[in-house]
Parts: sequence; structure tokens; C-alpha cells
Amino acid sequence: DQQVKQNSPSLSVQEGRISILNCDYTNSMFDYFLWYKKYPAEGPTFLISISSIKDKNEDGRFTVFLNKSAKHLSLHIVPSQPGDSAVYFCAASPNTGNQFYFGTGTSLTVIP
Amino acid sequence: GAGVSQTPSNKVTEKGKYVELRCDPISGHTALYWYRQSLGQGPEFLIYFQGTGAADDSGLPNDRFFAVRPEGSVSTLKIQRTERGDSAVYLCASSPESSGYNEQFFGPGTRLTVL
Repeated sequence: DQQVKQNSPSLSVQEGRISILNCDYTNSMFDYFLWYKKYPAEGPTFLISISSIKDKNEDGRFTVFLNKSAKHLSLHIVPSQPGDSAVYFCAASPNTGNQFYFGTGTSLTVIP
Repeated sequence: GAGVSQTPSNKVTEKGKYVELRCDPISGHTALYWYRQSLGQGPEFLIYFQGTGAADDSGLPNDRFFAVRPEGSVSTLKIQRTERGDSAVYLCASSPESSGYNEQFFGPGTRLTVL
């Protein structure tokens, strides 16, 4: 039973444009959400997070939006750069320090 | 500083054999996690250690899987009587108390292939 879903397995965007990656979850007990970026043959690296008390968190070119009523979050990257090409995973946790549930990932390709 | 390291990077074994996968977390990180990632899937939680004790092992698929962290640092994931379905990348992550255990630092993983 997949509690965190990323329905788009891949996304291609022109350099300089906005990339929008989407994530849906089913468990209303999730209160902390993260995005990870993964390059081939490497482990995921933390990108940005948001807690359920917020609806937006911004860090440079990366912004995460959370819509709790829709159980939906999205990651916006603007402007997109070729180095952003990677697989992006969203993850969710019901509480601090416990297990995290990951989506299946979206492979982003930024075309120069 | 040094990140999370995992050894070996690749392990090929035969069905029915026993394997051990090692994780060296970032020094000082008290929380340690093991995940399994199959092809085309996201990381799947296996077990979480807080210090030396397994705080949550609900993700271990069956009793062939076992993990230890005897001194609260290095952890070993042990798989007995391996099956072809165990083939996956096994990821380890550690987390510091300073982040509220909300930020996990992942190692590069061990790719296990069971023939």
C-alpha cells in the first residue's frame, strides 16, 4: 500500500523554466515532508522540508508547497538548471525520528 | 567531514547464502536507518535505531532479516538464506539529534544481487 505517490515518473523542462514536481499522500497523520534528490550510484541527498504547520517553505531556487486538505505537496525549481537533472523523491513522516515513507520518484531532465 | 559509508558497494551471492552489509554513520549521529530500494521504487523503510537499540523494526520483511548496532555507531544488516527477491540496493541513513531527527543523511548504498 503506497502511502506516498509520485504519479509522474519523468519530467523534461527547458533550462531557465520552472520545474514542478508533484507528490500525493494518503495518511492524514503525516506531519513532516521532505524532498530528496538522487544522482545515479549515490544515496539520496536532502533538499528541502516542510512541516504541516506551514504551507510554503523556500530555499533559494527551491520552494515546497503543502496543501493539507488535498494531501498534496509540490516542489518548484526556478530557474531550472541542467545540474538539477536527477531523480527526486518526496517522503513523509508521522512524527519526528520515526520511519519515513518515500514516493517512487520523478526523474527530472533539464534540457540546456 | 566524512559522510555515511557503506560496504561493500556491490555484493553478488547465491540463493540460500548468508550476507552481511555494513553501515558507518556520520560520527555523533544517534539515529540510524536501513532502507531497501528495488528497481523503479522509492526507498522502503526496514529498521530504525536510536543509539544501540532498534526503536522500530516493523519494516523488516521477515525473520531472515536482522540488524544490529552494538556500540551505537556502526550497524550491520544481516540476511539469512537469501532469496532472489532480496536483490535490491540497501541504503543506510543517519540523523543527528540537532535536526530533531528530521534530516537523514544517506550513504551510497550496497547493491545486493542474489543469483
